[in-house]
Amino acid sequence: DAGVIQSPRHEVTEMGQEVTLRCKPISGHNSLFWYRQTMMRGLELLIYFNNNVPIDDSGMPEDRFSAKMPNASFSTLKIQPSEPRDSAVYFCASRTGETQYFGPGTRLLVL
Amino acid sequence: SQQGEEDPQALSIQEGENATMNCSYKTSINNLQWYRQNSGRGLVHLILIRSNEREKHSGRLRVTLDTSKKSSSLLITASRAADTASYFCATGGSGGYQKVTFGTGTKLQVIP
Repeated sequence: DAGVIQSPRHEVTEMGQEVTLRCKPISGHNSLFWYRQTMMRGLELLIYFNNNVPIDDSGMPEDRFSAKMPNASFSTLKIQPSEPRDSAVYFCASRTGETQYFGPGTRLLVL
Repeated sequence: SQQGEEDPQALSIQEGENATMNCSYKTSINNLQWYRQNSGRGLVHLILIRSNEREKHSGRLRVTLDTSKKSSSLLITASRAADTASYFCATGGSGGYQKVTFGTGTKLQVIP
């Protein structure tokens, strides 16, 4: 299995632009998580999907952030408009049982 | 706020020594997990201990859990340079959702 796949791996954009991060979970995993990691705030859970349905989006910072999971094999996290404070590493993780499997992350820099 | 708080924040040891990291948490849990993160990578699951367990071993890893003190420790024996990474505890809550909350991490450096 290829593991959790994220794209792009690196993204540099200008403030105000729309950013879309993509995730392909491990086949057969029914839970998907989006996290954001920064030096200041550590690892923060943004949103959790179970069977493609958003269960907990209390960590989504504000309305500029949105996430979708149209099917079991694909999810997106969108930031529109992006701001410099959104600069972070964004991880997607999928889960079977109690263990989460993390993707390699997308390093986002908003100038 | 973060559920888990690791201690120390950073640890530097010589290769071959043991490394001990601690995690404290605030609310009741179903399980506690430890993850490792190498620089620039995603987190990798190491070990899970359930709330009714007190100790668990996996290779050079030993995890203890004290639910009365709401704390856990991760011991890495005979450390190697390749163990250099950040280590996070993650607590799994009770109930149907079982939300997992990650701690702040301990940065371990093993000097060859």
